[in-house]
Amino acid sequence: GQQLNQSPQSMFIQEGEDVSMNCTSSSIFNTWLWYKQDPGEGPVLLIALYKAGELTSNGRLTAQFGITRKDSFLNISASIPSDVGIYFCAGQRGGSEKLVFGKGTKLTVNP
Amino acid sequence: GAVVSQHPSWVICKSGTSVKIECRSLDFQATTMFWYRQFPKQSLMLMATSNEGSKATYEQGVEKDKFLINHASLTLSTLTVTSAHPEDSSFYICSAKIAGPWDEQFFGPGTRLTVL
Repeated sequence: GQQLNQSPQSMFIQEGEDVSMNCTSSSIFNTWLWYKQDPGEGPVLLIALYKAGELTSNGRLTAQFGITRKDSFLNISASIPSDVGIYFCAGQRGGSEKLVFGKGTKLTVNP
Repeated sequence: GAVVSQHPSWVICKSGTSVKIECRSLDFQATTMFWYRQFPKQSLMLMATSNEGSKATYEQGVEKDKFLINHASLTLSTLTVTSAHPEDSSFYICSAKIAGPWDEQFFGPGTRLTVL
């Protein structure tokens, strides 16, 4: 099935640094979602975006829904060790309940 | 709120046997549940969409006779992997959509299936 183009695939950063990752698609999505998955666990929703151009924050996390509705980015500021995990973007088309996932960004934070 | 559980959390079975995985929404009613499969270091791939009281809708390439889905109530969906083979070994994750106008899905913790 289709997947979103998510980059980077992995990131190694120092504690305190800011992180940015993004997802792009060749087609339009009406909803963009960002999840975090810890090893052996299911994904946990971080931020949901429902409107083109929307910029939403959740603590140190900020995500934006691209104006073209074909992309989204997630920023994490002042990273901490517990930010370690795999971050997935997911898109949802209008009229569909299905989520299309990106391939994930594996984040490693060095103390 | 919005907690989804899965049982078992992990299971090891012999090739040729069947395994049932349960997905429950603990504090809400879910008209729609979804089953995903995730191979190591890969993303989640939707297998099927399950609506309460009706037949599941399977994604292209997913064998409906092999992956039996039953959504018997608004809080329970089951996935049965029939005649399991080693290539069916994977991490199976369900999600549940709250009944209503919202689009948000809540994911279970996953079930690790290993077929020997």
